[in-house]
Amino acid sequence: SQQGEEDPQALSIQEGENATMNCSYKTSINNLQWYRQNSGRGLVHLILIRSNEREKHSGRLRVTLDTSKKSSSLLITASRAADTASYFCAPGGTGRRALTFGSGTRLQVQP
Amino acid sequence: DVKVTQSSRYLVKRTGEKVFLECVQDMDHENMFWYRQDPGLGLRLIYFSYDVKMKEKGDIPEGYSVSREKKERFSLILESASTNQTSMYLCASRLSTGETGELFFGEGSRLTVL
Repeated sequence: SQQGEEDPQALSIQEGENATMNCSYKTSINNLQWYRQNSGRGLVHLILIRSNEREKHSGRLRVTLDTSKKSSSLLITASRAADTASYFCAPGGTGRRALTFGSGTRLQVQP
Repeated sequence: DVKVTQSSRYLVKRTGEKVFLECVQDMDHENMFWYRQDPGLGLRLIYFSYDVKMKEKGDIPEGYSVSREKKERFSLILESASTNQTSMYLCASRLSTGETGELFFGEGSRLTVL
């Protein structure tokens, strides 16, 4: 299994600003997933982007994928205090492979 | 709504005790996983199971065992708890498909070993 590495480790912004988090990985993938974790809770799936897609949107989330650079980014537009959480990327392969996770990006949105 | 339920949110155990962490999913998922999460170390995979009675070691299986007697239940066992097993434990499940699909997580079990 391979894990993604999120960058930055921590990010602090004001409400209304955009937040961008990056993810790098090392081997070829079928898809890449982003998850969110509120403090002390389980992870929640946000979005999955497949290797043949370059960009995907879901509400205020925009995910890009560059397979040539083995990197992805998650953009949260017009952030809210409720977006405060840790965000994790998980490179995915074939079905039987387990997902692994890095340390995430801790996002703090100041009201 | 899909649901992964972990039996205990908080546990306090003593060194040397046998500890059972239970996880139940109601989605008829084939695959189930146990992770532990520690500050600065992210989530680390302990064990996973592709199907009933099947198990695979993850990245840190030492000191742990698992049981999957029924499809909906995946148990993590600490045979003799140690203080370095104090951690947040997260269970997850997913459908088995041709690609690595979405994981559904439980709320976590925070274990303290004294």
